[in-house]
Amino acid sequence: ELKVEQNPLFLSMQEGKNYTIYCNYSTTSDRLYWYRQDPGKSLESLFVLLSNGAVKQEGRLMASLDTKARLSTLHITAAVHDLSATYFCAVVDDYKLSFGAGTTVTVRA
Amino acid sequence: GAVVSQHPSWVICKSGTSVKIECRSLDFQATTMFWYRQFPKQSLMLMATSNEGSKATYEQGVEKDKFLINHASLTLSTLTVTSAHPEDSSFYICSARDIGRALPLGKNNEQFFGPGTRLTVL
Repeated sequence: ELKVEQNPLFLSMQEGKNYTIYCNYSTTSDRLYWYRQDPGKSLESLFVLLSNGAVKQEGRLMASLDTKARLSTLHITAAVHDLSATYFCAVVDDYKLSFGAGTTVTVRA
Repeated sequence: GAVVSQHPSWVICKSGTSVKIECRSLDFQATTMFWYRQFPKQSLMLMATSNEGSKATYEQGVEKDKFLINHASLTLSTLTVTSAHPEDSSFYICSARDIGRALPLGKNNEQFFGPGTRLTVL
């Protein structure tokens, strides 16, 4: 059974500083997703990572994938309040998605 | 493109009644749709996989007689929560998988999520 672990589960960020969320998974997979969820809302797709060494960036968010280590990171640069949300990584297992527990991010001034 | 809708967006019902939630892919065909449940401050848990024209595949621990799934067309799947109880109160999210080959690299087989349905059972 595929297990996906995220840490930290909660992250209090100070505006302007950099932070990283980690996502480990237990078996090989050919793709990994990062999603954002705002309170009361559904998931918003941020990144899909397909291969070892893949790196994608959008604004202040950058995601990377190391398939050998079974590790993905979501790096936040110079945090701003708008980034407050819960972030999930999800790994494809066959055709299904297995989600991490989520990281709830709060950005404070 | 790749828009998924859900209806209703929220519903409140009495214990013992049944509730139907619809999931539609608006601009693509989806042979496979997925139903997830999310309790407050928790992650998404896959309940079942819905395949057009065939029976749904349920995850371990999900009662198929309680959560009836019908995938009658390539754009519509429905989840019916039968004899709902307060413990069924949750956020139900569907996703649809686009098998179209004309999508950008990485989008093939990606799941697109609906906006969710908040179910409250009194």
